[in-house]
Amino acid sequence: DGGITQSPKYLFRKEGQNVTLSCEQNLNHDAMYWYRQDPGQGLRLIYYSQIVNDFQKGDIAEGYSVSREKKESFPLTVTSAQKNPTAFYLCASSGTGQEKLFFGSGTQLSVL
Amino acid sequence: KNQVEQSPQSLIILEGKNCTLQCNYTVSPFSNLRWYKQDTGRGPVSLTIMTFSENTKSNGRYTATLDADTKQSSLHITASQLSDSASYICVVSASRDTDKLIFGTGTRLQVFP
Repeated sequence: DGGITQSPKYLFRKEGQNVTLSCEQNLNHDAMYWYRQDPGQGLRLIYYSQIVNDFQKGDIAEGYSVSREKKESFPLTVTSAQKNPTAFYLCASSGTGQEKLFFGSGTQLSVL
Repeated sequence: KNQVEQSPQSLIILEGKNCTLQCNYTVSPFSNLRWYKQDTGRGPVSLTIMTFSENTKSNGRYTATLDADTKQSSLHITASQLSDSASYICVVSASRDTDKLIFGTGTRLQVFP
């Protein structure tokens, strides 16, 4: 069953804590992306990676970090430097041509 | 500034009725325009992708139109079903690269029996 798997579905962060959101894809896509979705706002790009061991900052990268050690995996760490982390986080991937973006089912992050 | 504006913000219709959602954009250069459907608590799913040269594209009961001259797009839903209740997001690509996507804030559609 091909697709993008995000985990966990819900995550709670304590103040000063780093948390990591998982994203795995079995679509053999080269490019992977992390977006943040807030109520009443359009999706905003956090980080993206077009190839293994390489990634670029998006529009709102401050307070976040990523790694791309394997083609299938693109985990996102929300660091304690991100002062307003409560949001719905979406991982996506795309193949050659980058015309069609496939999204995971999202992770809702909340602050305790 | 590149922007994508959608209207209405929310819409309520009865099952079986048709509806049209609007998208206006000020994105340059323009590469393509996409419509996504997002169920509550889920990731968006692609409905259509249109390039500059396409002015109509259908996907089942969903028909998207594009007027590149006026920079407007619409998504028409025919014979609505309860499962159409979702947010519909208009996305414009400013280049062939996916990192240049500009997302609208979406139209929240509710279909009642």
